[in-house]
Amino acid sequence: GNSVTQMEGPVTLSEEAFLTINCTYTATGYPSLFWYVQYPGEGLQLLLKATKADDKGSNKGFEATYRKETTSFHLEKGSVQVSDSAVYFCALSDRSRTGNQFYFGTGTSLTVIP
Amino acid sequence: EAQVTQNPRYLITVTGKKLTVTCSQNMNHEYMSWYRQDPGLGLRQIYYSMNVEVTDKGDVPEGYKVSRKEKRNFPLILESPSPNQTSLYFCASSLSMRENQPQHFGDGTRLSIL
Repeated sequence: GNSVTQMEGPVTLSEEAFLTINCTYTATGYPSLFWYVQYPGEGLQLLLKATKADDKGSNKGFEATYRKETTSFHLEKGSVQVSDSAVYFCALSDRSRTGNQFYFGTGTSLTVIP
Repeated sequence: EAQVTQNPRYLITVTGKKLTVTCSQNMNHEYMSWYRQDPGLGLRQIYYSMNVEVTDKGDVPEGYKVSRKEKRNFPLILESPSPNQTSLYFCASSLSMRENQPQHFGDGTRLSIL
Protein backbone atom coordinates (compact mmCIF):
# COMPACT_ATOMS: atom_id res chain seq x y z
CA GLY A 1 0.00 0.00 0.00
CA ASN A 2 0.86 3.67 0.03
CA SER A 3 2.30 5.52 2.99
CA VAL A 4 4.43 8.49 3.96
CA THR A 5 6.91 8.60 6.83
CA GLN A 6 8.44 11.85 7.96
CA MET A 7 10.80 12.70 10.75
CA GLU A 8 9.41 13.19 14.21
CA GLY A 9 9.36 16.65 15.65
CA PRO A 10 9.32 19.08 17.12
CA VAL A 11 12.30 20.74 15.54
CA THR A 12 13.72 23.94 17.02
CA LEU A 13 16.29 25.97 15.11
CA SER A 14 17.92 29.34 15.42
CA GLU A 15 17.28 31.93 12.72
CA GLU A 16 19.51 31.44 9.64
CA ALA A 17 20.17 27.77 10.46
CA PHE A 18 19.94 25.05 7.82
CA LEU A 19 16.77 22.99 7.78
CA THR A 20 16.23 19.40 6.71
CA ILE A 21 13.00 17.51 7.27
CA ASN A 22 13.20 13.92 6.10
CA CYS A 23 10.39 12.25 4.20
CA THR A 24 10.27 8.77 2.72
CA TYR A 25 7.39 7.12 0.96
CA THR A 26 5.98 3.79 -0.14
CA ALA A 27 3.85 3.71 -3.26
CA THR A 28 2.45 1.07 -5.56
CA GLY A 29 2.45 3.28 -8.64
CA TYR A 30 4.16 6.47 -9.74
CA PRO A 31 3.05 9.09 -7.25
CA SER A 32 3.32 12.82 -7.21
CA LEU A 33 4.92 14.23 -4.08
CA PHE A 34 4.09 17.37 -2.15
CA TRP A 35 5.11 19.42 0.84
CA TYR A 36 2.37 21.36 2.58
CA VAL A 37 2.73 23.91 5.38
CA GLN A 38 0.20 24.62 8.11
CA TYR A 39 0.32 27.84 10.12
CA PRO A 40 -1.51 27.99 13.45
CA GLY A 41 -5.29 28.05 13.08
CA GLU A 42 -5.17 27.65 9.33
CA GLY A 43 -5.59 24.96 6.72
CA LEU A 44 -2.74 23.41 4.80
CA GLN A 45 -1.11 25.37 1.99
CA LEU A 46 0.89 23.88 -0.82
CA LEU A 47 4.59 24.67 -0.42
CA LEU A 48 6.06 22.75 -3.35
CA LYS A 49 5.54 19.66 -5.46
CA ALA A 50 7.32 17.23 -7.78
CA THR A 51 5.57 14.97 -10.22
CA LYS A 52 8.26 12.58 -11.42
CA ALA A 53 11.65 11.16 -10.49
CA ASP A 54 14.52 13.68 -10.26
CA ASP A 55 12.15 16.64 -10.36
CA LYS A 56 13.03 19.38 -7.89
CA GLY A 57 10.25 21.42 -6.36
CA SER A 58 11.10 24.82 -4.93
CA ASN A 59 9.31 27.76 -3.37
CA LYS A 60 10.16 30.53 -0.88
CA GLY A 61 13.70 29.20 -0.47
CA PHE A 62 12.52 25.65 0.27
CA GLU A 63 13.56 22.77 -1.98
CA ALA A 64 12.87 19.06 -2.26
CA THR A 65 14.02 16.53 -4.87
CA TYR A 66 12.00 13.46 -5.87
CA ARG A 67 14.44 10.56 -5.39
CA LYS A 68 12.95 7.34 -6.73
CA GLU A 69 16.01 5.25 -5.90
CA THR A 70 15.77 6.10 -2.20
CA THR A 71 11.98 6.76 -2.21
CA SER A 72 12.61 10.08 -0.52
CA PHE A 73 11.50 13.69 -0.79
CA HIS A 74 13.43 15.57 1.91
CA LEU A 75 12.62 19.23 2.51
CA GLU A 76 15.53 21.66 2.83
CA LYS A 77 16.07 25.36 3.34
CA GLY A 78 19.42 27.03 3.59
CA SER A 79 18.52 29.78 6.06
CA VAL A 80 15.31 29.64 8.07
CA GLN A 81 13.42 32.65 9.37
CA VAL A 82 11.13 33.09 12.35
CA SER A 83 8.22 33.31 9.90
CA ASP A 84 8.94 29.72 8.78
CA SER A 85 7.66 28.42 12.12
CA ALA A 86 4.81 26.07 11.24
CA VAL A 87 3.93 22.40 10.81
CA TYR A 88 5.19 20.77 7.61
CA PHE A 89 3.50 17.79 5.99
CA CYS A 90 4.91 15.51 3.34
CA ALA A 91 2.26 13.96 1.09
CA LEU A 92 1.82 11.79 -1.95
CA SER A 93 -1.00 11.27 -4.39
CA ASP A 94 -1.47 8.09 -6.31
CA ARG A 95 -4.16 7.10 -8.75
CA SER A 96 -6.51 4.40 -7.54
CA ARG A 97 -9.29 2.56 -9.35
CA THR A 98 -11.72 5.44 -9.23
CA GLY A 99 -9.63 8.50 -8.61
CA ASN A 100 -6.84 9.90 -6.53
CA GLN A 101 -6.09 9.16 -2.95
CA PHE A 102 -3.81 11.33 -0.93
CA TYR A 103 -1.57 10.16 1.87
CA PHE A 104 0.01 12.46 4.41
CA GLY A 105 2.80 12.07 6.88
CA THR A 106 2.23 12.87 10.53
CA GLY A 107 3.64 16.38 10.26
CA THR A 108 6.80 17.97 11.66
CA SER A 109 6.51 21.04 13.83
CA LEU A 110 9.22 23.62 13.25
CA THR A 111 9.96 26.50 15.62
CA VAL A 112 12.55 29.08 14.61
CA ILE A 113 13.88 31.26 17.40
CA PRO A 114 15.49 34.67 16.87
CA GLU B 1 -11.07 35.25 -3.98
CA ALA B 2 -10.50 31.54 -4.63
CA GLN B 3 -11.29 29.62 -1.51
CA VAL B 4 -12.66 26.54 0.22
CA THR B 5 -15.18 27.45 2.90
CA GLN B 6 -16.15 25.17 5.75
CA ASN B 7 -18.88 25.68 8.30
CA PRO B 8 -19.05 25.63 11.22
CA ARG B 9 -15.49 26.36 12.33
CA TYR B 10 -16.17 25.00 15.80
CA LEU B 11 -18.86 22.70 17.14
CA ILE B 12 -19.44 21.02 20.47
CA THR B 13 -22.24 18.47 20.46
CA VAL B 14 -23.36 15.25 22.10
CA THR B 15 -23.17 11.61 21.13
CA GLY B 16 -25.83 10.50 18.67
CA LYS B 17 -26.99 13.92 17.51
CA LYS B 18 -26.72 14.06 13.73
CA LEU B 19 -24.57 16.85 12.34
CA THR B 20 -23.43 18.13 8.98
CA VAL B 21 -20.28 20.06 8.17
CA THR B 22 -20.62 21.99 4.95
CA CYS B 23 -17.86 22.58 2.43
CA SER B 24 -18.06 24.84 -0.59
CA GLN B 25 -15.46 25.83 -3.19
CA ASN B 26 -15.66 28.61 -5.75
CA MET B 27 -12.93 27.42 -8.12
CA ASN B 28 -15.00 25.02 -10.26
CA HIS B 29 -12.84 22.15 -9.01
CA GLU B 30 -13.79 18.62 -9.91
CA TYR B 31 -12.07 16.84 -7.04
CA MET B 32 -13.07 17.32 -3.40
CA SER B 33 -12.02 15.50 -0.29
CA TRP B 34 -12.47 15.32 3.48
CA TYR B 35 -9.72 14.67 6.02
CA ARG B 36 -9.45 14.39 9.74
CA GLN B 37 -6.33 15.52 11.57
CA ASP B 38 -5.38 13.89 14.85
CA PRO B 39 -2.21 14.32 16.94
CA GLY B 40 0.47 11.86 15.95
CA LEU B 41 -1.55 10.58 13.01
CA GLY B 42 -1.36 13.46 10.56
CA LEU B 43 -4.17 13.83 8.04
CA ARG B 44 -6.21 10.83 7.06
CA GLN B 45 -8.57 10.85 4.12
CA ILE B 46 -12.21 10.10 4.94
CA TYR B 47 -13.97 10.35 1.58
CA TYR B 48 -13.27 11.88 -1.77
CA SER B 49 -15.22 12.78 -4.87
CA MET B 50 -13.97 12.96 -8.43
CA ASN B 51 -17.03 14.82 -9.69
CA VAL B 52 -20.76 15.28 -9.18
CA GLU B 53 -22.44 12.08 -7.99
CA VAL B 54 -19.09 10.23 -7.81
CA THR B 55 -17.75 9.53 -4.33
CA ASP B 56 -15.42 6.93 -2.87
CA LYS B 57 -14.04 5.89 0.49
CA GLY B 58 -10.69 7.01 1.76
CA ASP B 59 -8.75 5.40 4.57
CA VAL B 60 -11.15 6.09 7.47
CA PRO B 61 -14.74 6.27 6.17
CA GLU B 62 -16.50 4.48 9.05
CA GLY B 63 -19.13 6.62 10.72
CA TYR B 64 -19.22 9.25 7.97
CA LYS B 65 -21.30 9.93 4.89
CA VAL B 66 -20.86 12.39 2.06
CA SER B 67 -22.80 13.56 -0.95
CA ARG B 68 -21.91 15.48 -4.10
CA LYS B 69 -25.09 16.74 -5.67
CA GLU B 70 -23.49 19.94 -6.96
CA LYS B 71 -19.96 20.55 -8.11
CA ARG B 72 -19.21 23.27 -5.55
CA ASN B 73 -20.52 21.53 -2.41
CA PHE B 74 -19.33 18.45 -0.56
CA PRO B 75 -20.94 18.12 2.87
CA LEU B 76 -19.70 15.69 5.51
CA ILE B 77 -22.44 13.99 7.51
CA LEU B 78 -22.10 12.29 10.87
CA GLU B 79 -25.37 10.40 11.33
CA SER B 80 -24.67 9.30 14.89
CA PRO B 81 -21.50 10.99 16.15
CA SER B 82 -19.38 9.32 18.79
CA PRO B 83 -16.56 10.68 20.98
CA ASN B 84 -13.89 8.99 18.81
CA GLN B 85 -14.93 11.36 16.01
CA THR B 86 -13.71 14.33 18.02
CA SER B 87 -11.11 15.78 15.69
CA LEU B 88 -10.07 18.61 13.42
CA TYR B 89 -11.63 18.22 9.96
CA PHE B 90 -10.45 19.69 6.70
CA CYS B 91 -12.16 19.90 3.35
CA ALA B 92 -9.98 20.23 0.26
CA SER B 93 -10.45 20.58 -3.48
CA SER B 94 -8.32 20.36 -6.59
CA LEU B 95 -8.84 21.15 -10.23
CA SER B 96 -9.09 17.60 -11.51
CA MET B 97 -8.38 13.99 -10.72
CA ARG B 98 -4.90 14.14 -12.24
CA GLU B 99 -2.51 13.13 -9.52
CA ASN B 100 -0.17 16.09 -9.84
CA GLN B 101 -2.85 18.60 -8.99
CA PRO B 102 -2.31 20.15 -5.55
CA GLN B 103 -5.17 20.53 -3.15
CA HIS B 104 -6.60 23.73 -1.71
CA PHE B 105 -7.67 23.41 1.92
CA GLY B 106 -10.33 25.07 4.00
CA ASP B 107 -9.46 26.51 7.41
CA GLY B 108 -10.78 23.50 9.30
CA THR B 109 -13.68 22.54 11.56
CA ARG B 110 -12.97 21.53 15.11
CA LEU B 111 -15.57 19.03 16.32
CA SER B 112 -15.96 17.92 19.92
CA ILE B 113 -18.37 15.06 20.57
CA LEU B 114 -19.24 14.66 24.25
